Amino acid sequence: QVQLVQSGAEVKKPGASVKVSCKASGNTFISNYMHWVRQVPGRGPQWMGVISPGGTASYAQKFQGRVTMTRDTSTGTLHMELSSLGFEDTAVYYCARDKYSTSQDLDFWGQGTLVTVSS
Amino acid sequence: DIHMTQAPSSLSASVGDIVTITCRASQRIDTYLNWYQQTPGRAPKLLISRASNLQSGVPSRFSGSGSGTDFTLSISSMQPEDFATYYCQQSYSTPTTFGPGTKVDIK
Repeated sequence: QVQLVQSGAEVKKPGASVKVSCKASGNTFISNYMHWVRQVPGRGPQWMGVISPGGTASYAQKFQGRVTMTRDTSTGTLHMELSSLGFEDTAVYYCARDKYSTSQDLDFWGQGTLVTVSS
Repeated sequence: DIHMTQAPSSLSASVGDIVTITCRASQRIDTYLNWYQQTPGRAPKLLISRASNLQSGVPSRFSGSGSGTDFTLSISSMQPEDFATYYCQQSYSTPTTFGPGTKVDIK
């Protein structure tokens, strides 16, 4: 069974950065493209970007220059760092597995990490 | 970016009811349309991919249809565990985009 376990909730001040991690089980880490999606409570999910099995990342234009996605093969962990945080970045952040290459069919999700931006 | 809309934004239903949710894309997306179910405090769950392909383990009371710009998710007989928020997602182009959701609650 695929498991994606994310790091715990964070509280950050405006202008700070946050780094969220996602540990993947089994071959998921080796074989699959992995996405990051965020969701403001009460709203639809918003795609942030994707990272390939080889570590090449592609980001949504909205987050270009502010987001960095990486993979640590030694620990089987993904990381997503978002900088220059604003109040509007308060959301639950998810990692999610792409079912087939870059199909964008997201079949397994982490449990989510709440990031709160507060002064 | 492709803009997704859903109707209604919310609805009330009873156990056993038939429920239909619609999703519309701002441009043609063939059948590259997924449906997700989300309950409070949980991550979205993929129910249907490519407009009509039921994911493994998803009950057959769920079905999806449509192509082009207009899509439908149907639940043939609502069960207690089906009260949730449903999102559509286009996987036709990057960035993938989601609808605003349809919340189905108990009447």
